[in-house]
Amino acid sequence: GENVEQHPSTLSVQEGDSAVIKCTYSDSASNYFPWYKQELGKGPQLIIDIRSNVGEKKDQRIAVTLNKTAKHFSLHITETQPEDSAVYFCAAPIWGGADGLTFGKGTHLIIQP
Amino acid sequence: KAGVTQTPRYLIKTRGQQVTLSCSPISGHRSVSWYQQTPGQGLQFLFEYFSETQRNKGNFPGRFSGRQFSNSRSEMNVSTLELGDSALYLCASSLVPSQETQYFGPGTRLLVL
Repeated sequence: GENVEQHPSTLSVQEGDSAVIKCTYSDSASNYFPWYKQELGKGPQLIIDIRSNVGEKKDQRIAVTLNKTAKHFSLHITETQPEDSAVYFCAAPIWGGADGLTFGKGTHLIIQP
Repeated sequence: KAGVTQTPRYLIKTRGQQVTLSCSPISGHRSVSWYQQTPGQGLQFLFEYFSETQRNKGNFPGRFSGRQFSNSRSEMNVSTLELGDSALYLCASSLVPSQETQYFGPGTRLLVL
């Protein structure tokens, strides 16, 4: 099955600066990579996902990049705001053709005012 | 459209008891996956159901089981509860399996005393 590693575990940035979270995966056959945001007391919320046929995807202040050769993908948040403070998880399919996801350990993003 | 709903939201049980958790997917979604979230192990895949059939199962003991009904609603059961089963249990739904986007519910917080 797939193995996903996520870095850093904690990231503190000044409001208005950019934040980057990186993940690596082990199975070269993986072709779907979602990112989730989890706030205290809530379930994970999908914020963006990317499939292996594209190298980058953007949605307003959020972007994800994928490097299939190096087997890593990254989340980029620009112009960070206080409401961006949360725990972010990257994920990849455990097996091809199934819904089960394996998650990174999470990054606690702290936006300093 | 209503999101994924889970009941109950909070539960306290004692060791040796059993517990049943319920999940109602987003209307029209037919695939339901269950995950366990703990501070130590993070988010871990339990099992996935589609068309009332378990398609995949994670690395959990047989005390963890589930089922899906014809209306796509799902339940999971944990028998002979152990202290280590204390966790947030999350349900996620998608239209169909095979790496479709998954949407999570708020979770059921289980405390085993």
